[in-house]
Amino acid sequence: EPEVTQTPSHQVTQMGQEVILRCVPISNHLYFYWYRQILGQKVEFLVSFYNNEISEKSEIFDDQFSVERPDGSNFTLKIRSTKLEDSAMYFCASSGIGLGNTIYFGEGSWLTVV
Amino acid sequence: SQQGEEDPQALSIQEGENATMNCSYKTSINNLQWYRQNSGRGLVHLILIRSNEREKHSGRLRVTLDTSKKSSSLLITASRAADTASYFCATATQYSPLNNDMRFGAGTRLTVKP
Repeated sequence: EPEVTQTPSHQVTQMGQEVILRCVPISNHLYFYWYRQILGQKVEFLVSFYNNEISEKSEIFDDQFSVERPDGSNFTLKIRSTKLEDSAMYFCASSGIGLGNTIYFGEGSWLTVV
Repeated sequence: SQQGEEDPQALSIQEGENATMNCSYKTSINNLQWYRQNSGRGLVHLILIRSNEREKHSGRLRVTLDTSKKSSSLLITASRAADTASYFCATATQYSPLNNDMRFGAGTRLTVKP
């Protein structure tokens, strides 16, 4: 079964550093997402991306964050100037277009900011 | 934004018993999806129910949807220790023709004791 893959699985970074989390969505999907989950808390929507632009973003997704689809297969989340509170599991997801399409999630990238 | 809210927050049962988890939401939806998350892992899609459906089955899973009460339930029959996980409902709004952005509740932590 096709799957969403994410790298790295775990990254430790110094506060203030920039981090890039990478995702390879399912190949025929057109809609891409990033979610995050702080330890012990609920899954929070960050951003959705369609047709090479942001479709919707949450209040969490401020100027510190950016997304990019640099080529035909990768989808990245960049976090600039990381803060301690950015420590979380970041999930990439993808789906087909339109309502009612299942969203498939990757296994997550665990980011620890120290 | 739309969010599902699950209850109970935690549920502990014996293997073989049935587990029922509930989800409530606030505004009109197009569909509601249930996901499962093992500790520290990604979200696994379980089942999708559309707003014009009232009940859906998949193996040992039974999902109901009551749009008049804005609620859904997930029933796991004949539970197994391997069903131990967190279960989330997620909703997609009716008002975004292309978006399938899902919003998640806080989840129900299910523990099935052998």
